[in-house]
Amino acid sequence: SQTIHQWPATLVQPVGSPLSLECTVEGTSNPNLYWYRQAAGRGLQLLFYSVGIGQISSEVPQNLSASRPQDRQFILSSKKLLLSDSGFYLCAWRGLWFRGKETQYFGPGTRLLVL
Amino acid sequence: GESVGLHLPTLSVQEGDNSIINCAYSNSASDYFIWYKQESGKGPQFIIDIRSNMDKRQGQRVTVLLNKTVKHLSLQIAATQPGDSAVYFCAENTGGFKTIFGAGTRLFVKA
Repeated sequence: SQTIHQWPATLVQPVGSPLSLECTVEGTSNPNLYWYRQAAGRGLQLLFYSVGIGQISSEVPQNLSASRPQDRQFILSSKKLLLSDSGFYLCAWRGLWFRGKETQYFGPGTRLLVL
Repeated sequence: GESVGLHLPTLSVQEGDNSIINCAYSNSASDYFIWYKQESGKGPQFIIDIRSNMDKRQGQRVTVLLNKTVKHLSLQIAATQPGDSAVYFCAENTGGFKTIFGAGTRLFVKA
C-alpha cells in the first residue's frame, strides 16, 4: 500500500531563516506530487505541483520554491522566511488518471510557525 | 472555485442525527468528485468519491449525491457521531493534473 511521509511535523523558525520541508511517497511510482498551504481555519491553497522528476509548476508567486530530485521525493524550500509563511503545509500525491487513481492522498502535514 | 481566504462555514448537529454538507462546484466539465475529512492537526483523509456518470454513491454511513444540472454535491452522514467532528472538503477533477478544493465546512457534533 502507498504511504506518504512529511517531516518535520512541527517547526518554529525565525524570520529571515531558510526552510526545507521534505515529503516522500512509498509504494507507488511516477506519482503527481503537490504542496499545499493551509492557514488556520481556512481552505487549501495549492503552491506547487510536479508531474515528474525535475518538473515543477508554481501556482502562487511567493518566496517559496519546490524541487523534485527523485521520483518520490518533493521538497519545499525558502531562502528567507516571512511571517506570512506561517501555516500548515501539506504534501499530497496522486496516481496517473488513466489508471483510475484520481484521488489525491495527503500526508500528515508540517506546522510551521515563523516568529 | 477555490476560496482559500474565507473563514469556514460551520454546521452544528446533535449526536445521532443525520448531517448534510453541501458543496457547489464550479466546472461543468468536472468528471470526478471527492469528499475529504480533515481532523484538527491532521491532513485531509479520503472519505468517498463519485464519477460524473453517477448521481449517488453509498459508503459506510456516508452517501454522496451529485446533481450535475445545478452543479451541486452533497455528503450525507447517517447517525452522526462525535468522531465525525471535523472539516469536510469537497473536491473536483476536470481531467487535468490539479484538483480543485472547496472552501470546506466545519462540522460540530453536540453530545
